[in-house]
Amino acid sequence: EAQVTQNPRYLITVTGKKLTVTCSQNMNHEYMSWYRQDPGLGLRQIYYSMNVEVTDKGDVPEGYKVSRKEKRNFPLILESPSPNQTSLYFCASSSERKFYEQYFGPGTRLTVT
Amino acid sequence: AQSVTQLDSHVSVSEGTPVLLRCNYSSSYSPSLFWYVQHPNKGLQLLLKYTSAATLVKGINGFEAEFKKSETSFHLTKPSAHMSDAAEYFCVVTGGYNKLIFGAGTRLAVHP
Repeated sequence: EAQVTQNPRYLITVTGKKLTVTCSQNMNHEYMSWYRQDPGLGLRQIYYSMNVEVTDKGDVPEGYKVSRKEKRNFPLILESPSPNQTSLYFCASSSERKFYEQYFGPGTRLTVT
Repeated sequence: AQSVTQLDSHVSVSEGTPVLLRCNYSSSYSPSLFWYVQHPNKGLQLLLKYTSAATLVKGINGFEAEFKKSETSFHLTKPSAHMSDAAEYFCVVTGGYNKLIFGAGTRLAVHP
């Protein structure tokens, strides 16, 4: 089954404690992206990757890092989380030819206290 | 710059009645437009897309959208709502190379 998986689904952490949210896709997609969803703001792009070792900033990259060492994986790293990063995070992937048809993971709800 | 405005944050309809979710866009070039749907506790799913072919676009689950350049609109419609249509709907426009810009979302409630 074609899918995007994220782990964990729920996470409560404290300010400053480094964390990683994993994302994996099994569709051999070139394009992967991270979004955060906040009430009334829709989805905002954090980072995206066009392929292995190729990443770029989205609209709200501050406080986040990513890496793309393998085509299937695109982890999101928060080196020093802060309460304003409390949000619902989605990973998405798509083929390069149809980047608009993005397949989304189930989401990770992060709370930073 | 490209942007989308969803005119209603919440829409409530009765089962069996028509659905209208409104979206206006702003784009400096001919845009591609999409509607995504997010069911509770799920990721987003592409509902339909407009990419400069026919202006009336059909999507999954009986939804349609019409691209109206003169009105800069891309409203989503369905003739008869079903309980399973209750979800959040996002209007999306391409924002340049490999970028999607999402509207704030419209939450659709369907009552028996």
